[in-house]
Amino acid sequence: EDQVTQSPEALRLQEGESSSLNCSYTVSGLRGLFWYRQDPGKGPEFLFTLYSAGEEKEKERLKATLTKKESFLHITAPKPEDSATYLCAVQAWDSGYALNFGKGTSLLVTP
Amino acid sequence: DTAVSQTPKYLVTQMGNDKSIKCEQNLGHDTMYWYKQDSKKFLKIMFSYNNKELIINETVPNRFSPKSPDKAHLNLHINSLELGDSAVYFCASSGRAGPGANVLTFGAGSRLTVL
Repeated sequence: EDQVTQSPEALRLQEGESSSLNCSYTVSGLRGLFWYRQDPGKGPEFLFTLYSAGEEKEKERLKATLTKKESFLHITAPKPEDSATYLCAVQAWDSGYALNFGKGTSLLVTP
Repeated sequence: DTAVSQTPKYLVTQMGNDKSIKCEQNLGHDTMYWYKQDSKKFLKIMFSYNNKELIINETVPNRFSPKSPDKAHLNLHINSLELGDSAVYFCASSGRAGPGANVLTFGAGSRLTVL
């Protein structure tokens, strides 16, 4: 069974204090690993898809990386508007196109 | 120009009632999904439909019945509501071609409260 474990559950950073979120996964055959951002009261918003080990993608202060067992979401010099829950999900070849989500990391960035 | 829209956004009802949540997407996607997000914010797949055909039906009580009248719509009907059904239900869709292929686009969610 596919499993996605995110750590830490919650993270509090000072503005400008860089850090990383972890997503460990086990999946029968990985089609893609996805990162989403979810703000309170809203639906998840797509950030990145990574398809193979060694791949990296960047968007503003966020950078996602992938190995065969885990993915990291690096946040460089975060701002308060980066506060949100970050969700990691795997898409397996035998699951259609459904995403199997982890429980998320709740990030709070204080001024 | 909302991509995935769900109605209603909030739903408060009594135990034992029957209710429906509607979902529509205007992205031209051929696959639609229902997810449930519980009080601990865990998002879990319930159903997946591709071109009106049921693809995934996770371990969900048969009180939940999805209906897809066409590719752009996937509605969720819930019979005999129970307290444990209280959650936020998200509709999503994805396409298989073009930019963003296989990326799920989510609606804003429908918060169901069963009293």
